[in-house]
Amino acid sequence: AQRVTQPEKLLSVFKGAPVELKCNYSYSGSPELFWYVQYSRQRLQLLLRHISRESIKGFTADLNKGETSFHLKKPFAQEEDSAMYYCALRYTGNQFYFGTGTSLTVIP
Amino acid sequence: KAGVTQTPRYLIKTRGQQVTLSCSPISGHRSVSWYQQTPGQGLQFLFEYFSETQRNKGNFPGRFSGRQFSNSRSEMNVSTLELGDSALYLCASSLEGTAKNIQYFGAGTRLSVL
Repeated sequence: AQRVTQPEKLLSVFKGAPVELKCNYSYSGSPELFWYVQYSRQRLQLLLRHISRESIKGFTADLNKGETSFHLKKPFAQEEDSAMYYCALRYTGNQFYFGTGTSLTVIP
Repeated sequence: KAGVTQTPRYLIKTRGQQVTLSCSPISGHRSVSWYQQTPGQGLQFLFEYFSETQRNKGNFPGRFSGRQFSNSRSEMNVSTLELGDSALYLCASSLEGTAKNIQYFGAGTRLSVL
């Protein structure tokens, strides 16, 4: 079975502190992983994808095949980072499996 | 470009009724996927349509069906509604498929079944 697990439903950090949102996956093939974000009253939108190896809004994520993880990290959290974050695995075509999400709150 | 448009934004139905939701993708996008979002289960994949053909299907009962028209607009139908069908239904569109494929989501249709 293909599954995505986000163990933390809620995460609170202080402004300026490092943040890490955890994502673990289970997939028998070569995984393609994404992080999506949903800010308050906005649509779900792509934050970053592992194949691009990019840093978006200071966030990075590294695919660790040994640990089957794709954790999202940012060294210094900002208040505007408060949002719902979803880790997603592309299964085939445009069929994605999403984790249940982590709600991040950055405390001023 | 206009984004993904879903109509209606809100729906209230009663058990046993049926409902049709509509999704207009971004111009030029040929793939449309549907998801059900609930607080307990998160986002769950319903199905994907490409060029008027269902390409992938998630693990939902046959009461959930969809179709895609030649202009790539898609509709989703749920028959014999149950209380548990109350959810936010999201539609996403994308260009066809390279590894750089990105899904763009609509604002969703919130369905309440009473």
